[in-house]
Amino acid sequence: DQQVKQNSPSLSVQEGRISILNCDYTNSMFDYFLWYKKYPAEGPTFLISISSIKDKNEDGRFTVFLNKSAKHLSLHIVPSQPGDSAVYFCAASTGGGNKLTFGTGTQLKVEL
Amino acid sequence: DSGVTQTPKHLITATGQRVTLRCSPRSGDLSVYWYQQSLDQGLQFLIQYYNGEERAKGNILERFSAQQFPDLHSELNLSSLELGDSALYFCASRFGTGGEAFFGQGTRLTVV
Repeated sequence: DQQVKQNSPSLSVQEGRISILNCDYTNSMFDYFLWYKKYPAEGPTFLISISSIKDKNEDGRFTVFLNKSAKHLSLHIVPSQPGDSAVYFCAASTGGGNKLTFGTGTQLKVEL
Repeated sequence: DSGVTQTPKHLITATGQRVTLRCSPRSGDLSVYWYQQSLDQGLQFLIQYYNGEERAKGNILERFSAQQFPDLHSELNLSSLELGDSALYFCASRFGTGGEAFFGQGTRLTVV
């Protein structure tokens, strides 16, 4: 049972434009959500997170939006840069210190 | 550099063999998580330890086992290896009951 889903395996965006990566979840007990970026042959790198008590969190070019009623979160990258090209994973956890459940990832390609 | 160290980086071994993967968490982090990533798939949770005790188990095969030592480093033991066990194995650590998890660079296991 895939509790965290990223339905778009890939996304291509032009440099300077907005990248929007989407994630859906089914477990209403999830209360903490994270986005990770992963380059080939490297471990995932934490990008940004959001608690279920918020609906938006911003950090520089990265903004995460959470819609609890729709069980949906999204990551916006503005402006997109070629160095943003990577696989992006969303993850969720329940309670304190529990495991992170990951989606299958979205390959973002930012083109010149 | 995430501060999480995994050794070895690469491992090639034959079917039926046994290997040990090692993880040193970030200084002060009490939680260690092990994940498996096979062939462009998502990260599958295997097992979590918190301050030396097993805290949660995911889809970990009976042929696999793990432990966390008093100095908080962790080892993942994989035995009776099969071709399908070829994957990237990631370790992540977290300070306590919340916040982001930091990932190591992973161990690429190839079973031939």
